[in-house]
Amino acid sequence: EMQLVQSGAEVKKPGESLKISCKGSGYSFTSYWIGWVRQMPGKGLEWMGIIYPGDSDTTYSPSFQGQVRISADKSMSTTYLQWSSLKASDTAIYYCARPRSGSEDPFDIWGQGTLVTVSS
Amino acid sequence: IQMTQSPSSVSASIGDRVTITCRASQGIGSWLAWYRQNPGKAPTLLIYAASSLQSGVPSRFSGSGSGTDFTLTISSLQPEDFATYYCQQTNSFPLTFGGGTTVEI
Repeated sequence: EMQLVQSGAEVKKPGESLKISCKGSGYSFTSYWIGWVRQMPGKGLEWMGIIYPGDSDTTYSPSFQGQVRISADKSMSTTYLQWSSLKASDTAIYYCARPRSGSEDPFDIWGQGTLVTVSS
Repeated sequence: IQMTQSPSSVSASIGDRVTITCRASQGIGSWLAWYRQNPGKAPTLLIYAASSLQSGVPSRFSGSGSGTDFTLTISSLQPEDFATYYCQQTNSFPLTFGGGTTVEI
């Protein structure tokens, strides 16, 4: 079964750093892009960026460029989303997702989501 | 590219036919997808390329449109269809989503 499994919920303070993960299984991990999507509390979906684990080619949404870093470790079949200094406004559920094929395809496989809470 | 959905919410009953619209701020050909998100769950892909049904998705879902105007139709609402629906343009980065349409009982 093709699936993406994300790391567990996190509670952090403003200014702290954080790295959450998304592990793929059941398919050739290095052959498919992985994207990240933010969903703030009670709000809609926001496309953050996408990475190709095969060579770590990455594209960010301008809204998130410089605010987060997306990376991948193909030996671990895992992609990461990280922050160097969290803000309260980073509180959200973060989903990783795999496109049907290419980088601009819709996402047909989703992780279960990781809730990040940033509060003093 | 900005994606605008309407209505933002709709009230309906089991068995009803529901239509949701999505408008792009510029032409995107047929590069549009639709998702359903049930409460507390990740979204699931329903339609891609404006009108292609994703594998495993019931045939009561259909999509149409091209250019800037698109529609998602649910022919006969089932209990699991009371959820929030999102369109997404897949024409160019960033792959923006619409604001969502909630289908309520």
